[in-house]
Amino acid sequence: SAVISQKPSRDICQRGTSLTIQCQVDSQVTMMFWYRQQPGQSLTLIATANQGSEATYESGFVIDKFPISRPNLTFSTLTVSNMSPEDSSIYLCSGGGDGGDYTFGSGTRLTVV
Amino acid sequence: DQQVKQNSPSLSVQEGRISILNCDYTNSMFDYFLWYKKYPAEGPTFLISISSIKDKNEDGRFTVFLNKSAKHLSLHIVPSQPGDSAVYFCAASLIHFNKFYFGSGTKLNVKP
Repeated sequence: SAVISQKPSRDICQRGTSLTIQCQVDSQVTMMFWYRQQPGQSLTLIATANQGSEATYESGFVIDKFPISRPNLTFSTLTVSNMSPEDSSIYLCSGGGDGGDYTFGSGTRLTVV
Repeated sequence: DQQVKQNSPSLSVQEGRISILNCDYTNSMFDYFLWYKKYPAEGPTFLISISSIKDKNEDGRFTVFLNKSAKHLSLHIVPSQPGDSAVYFCAASLIHFNKFYFGSGTKLNVKP
């Protein structure tokens, strides 16, 4: 399975600022996804990161708030823009092939103060 | 509306005994199911999967059972080991869409 390096592992940010989270995969993967896990809740899919085109966002998530890049098959970034305390969460990227055993990054624990 | 539910937030089991983790889903169109294990400060790691054409899949100490009529799946760990202590997530998807919906997790504690 692919190995995903995600950074930063944690950050404390001021409200109104933005944070970019990076995920680097050690091999090419067809699909990459970004999730959010708020305390005591499920992993919620934010968007599918599409290589070379705009990401596909789930209901409740918009590009202006969570811009995503995927310049190639091994790298993706998620930016959390204009942050508020409600954005405090763990953010995870995931990558894999067709319907298979996806691997995850180690997560970014974001605290907005 | 949560499509995948894990109603037990925690489970405690003695080492050597069986651990049974349960998961319910609401969308009868789901055709692929996975279990992930997550240790603190790490991302989830894939454990075992099952497609809707099967009702059981076994991998070593881990067995997943799928009851489509009840929209229920379960993960059995036999025998349980202290190293199995982690949070376990079930996930479901429509296989061709590659989108997974996760339960909220069950924290398993295996006592020595």
